[in-house]
Amino acid sequence: AQSVTQPDIHITVSEGASLELRCNYSYGATPYLFWYVQSPGQGLQLLLKYFSGDTLVQGIKGFEAEFKRSQSSFNLRKPSVHWSDAAEYFCAVGAFKAAGNKLTFGGGTRVLVKP
Amino acid sequence: DAGITQSPRHKVTETGTPVTLRCHQTENHRYMYWYRQDPGHGLRLIHYSYGVKDTDKGEVSDGYSVSRSKTEDFLLTLESATSSQTSVYFCAISERAQGGETQYFGPGTRLLVL
Repeated sequence: AQSVTQPDIHITVSEGASLELRCNYSYGATPYLFWYVQSPGQGLQLLLKYFSGDTLVQGIKGFEAEFKRSQSSFNLRKPSVHWSDAAEYFCAVGAFKAAGNKLTFGGGTRVLVKP
Repeated sequence: DAGITQSPRHKVTETGTPVTLRCHQTENHRYMYWYRQDPGHGLRLIHYSYGVKDTDKGEVSDGYSVSRSKTEDFLLTLESATSSQTSVYFCAISERAQGGETQYFGPGTRLLVL
């Protein structure tokens, strides 16, 4: 069975500082990997995804993530955080099957941005 | 925006009453999903559909049923609501592009069972 762990429940970062959110997954084959962001009271917005190819993927809002197969990780980074990045971030792993791609989510990391 | 709407957006109900949540999509997607979101658990899959009248269970399907009588609508029913089903429910569709499947989510329905 696939699983996703986000070790940090909360992270506080100063505006302008860099941000890294950790994601570790367990999956028996090559995974599909995703990062979603959720602002308070809102739905989930896709930040970026990895299917294959280049292990460093670029997303929206200046985010990037790196797939490291040897470490079973897909960490999310942003070089300079803006106050609007305060939100909850979810890592997810998917497995493509003929009957749909069921996602397994991590528990989420809540990011607080200090002025 | 993947053309997904959910109704109602908020609902308060009492234990033991039936509740139906609706997910509507406008772009003819084949795959649709229902998830619930609870603190510390991220999102967990309840049921999914891979076509009209074709559905299957997810990780947390007990106490829930679904129906899909037409492509655009995917209904989630709580036959007899319990307080443990208080949650935020998200519908999603799956879109194939760039060599993989990506899920896009609706705005959510916040359900409180008293």
